[in-house]
Amino acid sequence: GAVVSQHPSRVICKSGTSVKIECRSLDFQATTMFWYRQFPKQSLMLMATSNEGSKATYEQGVEKDKFLINHASLTLSTLTVTSAHPEDSSFYICSARGAQGVISPLHFGNGTRLTVT
Amino acid sequence: RKEVEQDPGPFNVPEGATVAFNCTYSNSASQSFFWYRQDCRKEPKLLMSVYSSGNEDGRFTAQLNRASQYISLLIRDSKLSDSATYLCVVNHGGGSYIPTFGRGTSLIVHP
Repeated sequence: GAVVSQHPSRVICKSGTSVKIECRSLDFQATTMFWYRQFPKQSLMLMATSNEGSKATYEQGVEKDKFLINHASLTLSTLTVTSAHPEDSSFYICSARGAQGVISPLHFGNGTRLTVT
Repeated sequence: RKEVEQDPGPFNVPEGATVAFNCTYSNSASQSFFWYRQDCRKEPKLLMSVYSSGNEDGRFTAQLNRASQYISLLIRDSKLSDSATYLCVVNHGGGSYIPTFGRGTSLIVHP
């Protein structure tokens, strides 16, 4: 149980285009989802927290107009990287936590490797 | 001081060895704790939750020391397949319970 599906797993796009990444909880309802970014050999960096039906909370330094997050249902959150630039190339990972709140572990999607050329 | 700290390693150990990692946290109100493993270029996968009384899952033992604010992970009889980065995750209390990750400890098990 507790499967999180992330799509696409890999995307290559041209500079200036937008990319949408989907994160779905397949067998549980995810009231809270988190989006992370990870550069090579570095730790996970939290970008934003999204709660179903409300606006995402962005971490300091993360541009909310560039990284659009929508969590419209209890099973789906999307991250759109708008006007992508080569420096946005990274590994983006979503995670979901179930309704048990703080005692629930995070369940991760398999990540999206974004390359902007 | 970082909220969650781990020794990045790498810990280089032979097969069959016992190895232990610690993870310290600064927020005394932290409420739940987990260990994840992350393989190169993959997403983190839950290894085990950490309970107040300590818990064991096969070769893996996790412990929590609230007084000293650290959690530990012990791996017995290391296998080559245990080579990975081990991340500790701490959930703080209050509000959104944002999980905080350590930077991870790299383990390399060699023949």
